[in-house]
Amino acid sequence: AQKVTQAQTEISVVEKEDVTLDCVYETRDTTYYLFWYKQPPSGELVFLIRRNSFDEQNEISGRYSWNFQKSTSSFNFTITASQVVDSAVYFCALSEARGNYGQNFVFGPGTRLSVLP
Amino acid sequence: DAEITQSPRHKITETGRQVTLACHQTWNHNNMFWYRQDLGHGLRLIHYSYGVQDTNKGEVSDGYSVSRSNTEDLPLTLESAASSQTSVYFCASSESAGYNEQFFGPGTRLTVL
Repeated sequence: AQKVTQAQTEISVVEKEDVTLDCVYETRDTTYYLFWYKQPPSGELVFLIRRNSFDEQNEISGRYSWNFQKSTSSFNFTITASQVVDSAVYFCALSEARGNYGQNFVFGPGTRLSVLP
Repeated sequence: DAEITQSPRHKITETGRQVTLACHQTWNHNNMFWYRQDLGHGLRLIHYSYGVQDTNKGEVSDGYSVSRSNTEDLPLTLESAASSQTSVYFCASSESAGYNEQFFGPGTRLTVL
């Protein structure tokens, strides 16, 4: 069965430090999709990125970068020069296709990041 | 702009009462999902639907039911509320197919006394 592990329950850093959030997944499918979501203190869930299993290119978006390594089943998220506004709970998720229309979506338990001024 | 809304945003009820949480999306997505969020568990899937008249049980479906009579709405019903169902409930929707991200509603905080 599919599973997503985020071993870091909570992380605290000081503003401007770099921080990496770990995500390890398990799946038997050869085609799957990985996601990161952000949940700020206001509570909404914000989609950050999607990666498919055939694309191991790292992605950078401003201060955010993602490192996808199939060999270690990991999809780690790095925030460079962290800011207080980055304080949130971050969820990694795995999706497997089900038929032509469906998806089996599983979330990790989340990592709470606190960025201190 | 398309959106997904939930109502009520906060609800306090008593043990044994029936409660219905509403979810409405204007994305015209076929897929809709209900999750509950509890500390230490992340988001757990309660029920999901891949289209009108289609409903399926998720990981933690006991005590919950859904029905899908149109594309836009997927109400979640707690048949007889229990204190263990105190949680934050999120509704989500996505376009068909496994690669699509899910868009989430703002959540409903439910307290069962």
